[in-house]
Amino acid sequence: DVVMTQSPLSLPVTLGQPASISCRSSQSLEHSDGNTYLNWFQQRPGQSPRRLIYKVSNRDSGVPDRFSGSGSGTDFTLKISRVEAEDVGVYYCVQGTYWPLLTFGGGTKVEIK
Amino acid sequence: QLQLQESGPGLVRPSETLSLTCTVSGDSISSSTYYWGWIRQPPGKGLEWVGSMFYTGTTHYNPSLMSRVTISVDTSKNQFSLRLSSVSAADTAVYYCARIDYGDSFDYWGQGTLVTVSS
Repeated sequence: DVVMTQSPLSLPVTLGQPASISCRSSQSLEHSDGNTYLNWFQQRPGQSPRRLIYKVSNRDSGVPDRFSGSGSGTDFTLKISRVEAEDVGVYYCVQGTYWPLLTFGGGTKVEIK
Repeated sequence: QLQLQESGPGLVRPSETLSLTCTVSGDSISSSTYYWGWIRQPPGKGLEWVGSMFYTGTTHYNPSLMSRVTISVDTSKNQFSLRLSSVSAADTAVYYCARIDYGDSFDYWGQGTLVTVSS
């Protein structure tokens, strides 16, 4: 089974400063169709998760452009260029390459210093 | 605007069966090209995919739960349901229903419903 590992577990950041979250998979997420199905989700306190990024780097509608995704193979990164107060929450990566199995990372908690 | 709404008992006794329903509005389950599924989140912990289904009845389950999980669909009501048997305290969680865009995973979520397993 593919295992998704996120780091760090907790990320204290200063408002206006950048933040970076790592997600690593135990197996390559490059699909035979040429796509890489790595997704990122944000879960604000008390809310349902919301997808931010799909296929490594594609932002969902309404997602601010300060959020960006990158990576390939087994190593992926979610970056927030300038953290705002509304970005506080837990971020999860999810692999969909090994469909129909969908696997979450353990989550990274972003908080304001 | 697609909306999903979970419903069901908030308290289930140990060893009994947890049953939840997700009502979909703004899209037809039976005409959709998407899968539909369930995710759960124990209090203070991370997210876990439970299972997925297509309106034709095709289902896929998390191997760790496969022996206890059943997902079914009622296209006439535009609903799909989750049944989890032989529950224990470890099954206490917020259960979310969601639309699934294959490998792009969960693009729409319900608000979630807390199910507590306790006697």
